[in-house]
Amino acid sequence: GAVVSQHPSWVICKSGTSVKIECRSLDFQATTMFWYRQFPKQSLMLMATSNEGSKATYEQGVEKDKFLINHASLTLSTLTVTSAHPEDSSFYICSAEKQGAKGNQPQHFGDGTRLSIL
Amino acid sequence: EDQVTQSPEALRLQEGESSSLNCSYTVSGLRGLFWYRQDPGKGPEFLFTLYSAGEEKEKERLKATLTKKESFLHITAPKPEDSATYLCAVRHSNTGNQFYFGTGTSLTVIP
Repeated sequence: GAVVSQHPSWVICKSGTSVKIECRSLDFQATTMFWYRQFPKQSLMLMATSNEGSKATYEQGVEKDKFLINHASLTLSTLTVTSAHPEDSSFYICSAEKQGAKGNQPQHFGDGTRLSIL
Repeated sequence: EDQVTQSPEALRLQEGESSSLNCSYTVSGLRGLFWYRQDPGKGPEFLFTLYSAGEEKEKERLKATLTKKESFLHITAPKPEDSATYLCAVRHSNTGNQFYFGTGTSLTVIP
């Protein structure tokens, strides 16, 4: 199997709070993890690519200081939304690619985190 | 320029009514085309990978095919539990690890 666990699944917090989301590969090691954002009835928008032991690569228009990514081990990546505001409310989904994948393997997704900022 | 286009945007089928979903792509150097199923409030669930034109993959009522320009996801005798959004994504030689996702087809199967 290829199971990816994402936590928390749902979080509600006040404006100005920082929120950390965890993404874990449970039964495989992941050199690369990806963070997506999804708006209602829209497809997935890649925010950043997270590589174990190095800095994340952010997509154009994504604020690095707003969305902090840490990939400290082969099974864990975290996304921290700093000083969150209502416009950051969204569905955030992570995915992981198995270590050693040749670039033509599927990504395996977590179940997402619904973030609501009041 | 859109690299992946899915059609139709939404599809309603009677239970048992077979149909096909389309995913057209314009990339060159395709390294893989991927089909996922996404249920509301959940992350995408991997279904198939197709690598080269002429390839076919099957799983229960689903069958995915690939040509040089598009992929079809055929659904045979669908059941209500097949209701979901079906996403396709491509990875090509110029994108490294990045996937390009289509906007999906929302499938509703009516009992």
